[in-house]
Amino acid sequence: QVQVVQSGAEVKKPGASVKVSCKASGYSFTYYGISWLRQAPGQGLEWMGWISTYSGHTMFAQSLQGRITLTTDTSTNTAYMELRSLRSDDTAVYYCARATCGGDCYSGVYFFDYWGQGSLVTVSS
Amino acid sequence: EIVLTQSPGTLSLSPGERATLSCRASQSVISSDLAWYQQKFGQAPRLLIYGASSRATGIPDRFSGSGSGTDFTLTISRLEPEDCAVYYCQQYGNSPLTFGGGTKVEIK
Repeated sequence: QVQVVQSGAEVKKPGASVKVSCKASGYSFTYYGISWLRQAPGQGLEWMGWISTYSGHTMFAQSLQGRITLTTDTSTNTAYMELRSLRSDDTAVYYCARATCGGDCYSGVYFFDYWGQGSLVTVSS
Repeated sequence: EIVLTQSPGTLSLSPGERATLSCRASQSVISSDLAWYQQKFGQAPRLLIYGASSRATGIPDRFSGSGSGTDFTLTISRLEPEDCAVYYCQQYGNSPLTFGGGTKVEIK
């Protein structure tokens, strides 16, 4: 069965970086891209970016351009999200999810059929 | 950017009742590329419906989706206590993909 397991909670100071991992199993890793989303406390869902696990090509939300890096390690079926220059409003639960493309994968539109359990990132001085 | 407006904000119903959740788009969603997710308290979202009306793997048939263009509906035919959750719609027909603000379903 498909499983997606993320790394644990992190506490970071403003200006620092965080790197969250996401290990997938139960399917062919390179057949589906991985997206990252986040949810601030009591708020809705925000899409952050997507990476092709086949080619490494990435797409990002405009609001995060320049602060986010997505990578994968196909030898361990693991995806990584790094967010830099953290601010207090980056405090959120971060999710990775298997992404199915709505048409062209490089047009930035996907839906998400399997999700990790979430990783709480707290940014506080 | 397509704005998705979900209504009502909160729905309070008894077990066995029918729940009707609305998701209205600010412009037409291409190819009915609309999904619905269920998020229980403290859990990750779970995909219920994609393509406006196709149930995801393992989703009970009491959940159904319908609609096209700008108006979409998620129906839960007979509410069960475990359906207590926030439900989100998401469009993936137009970039950037966007989510609605959610409808909270409470079970009396």
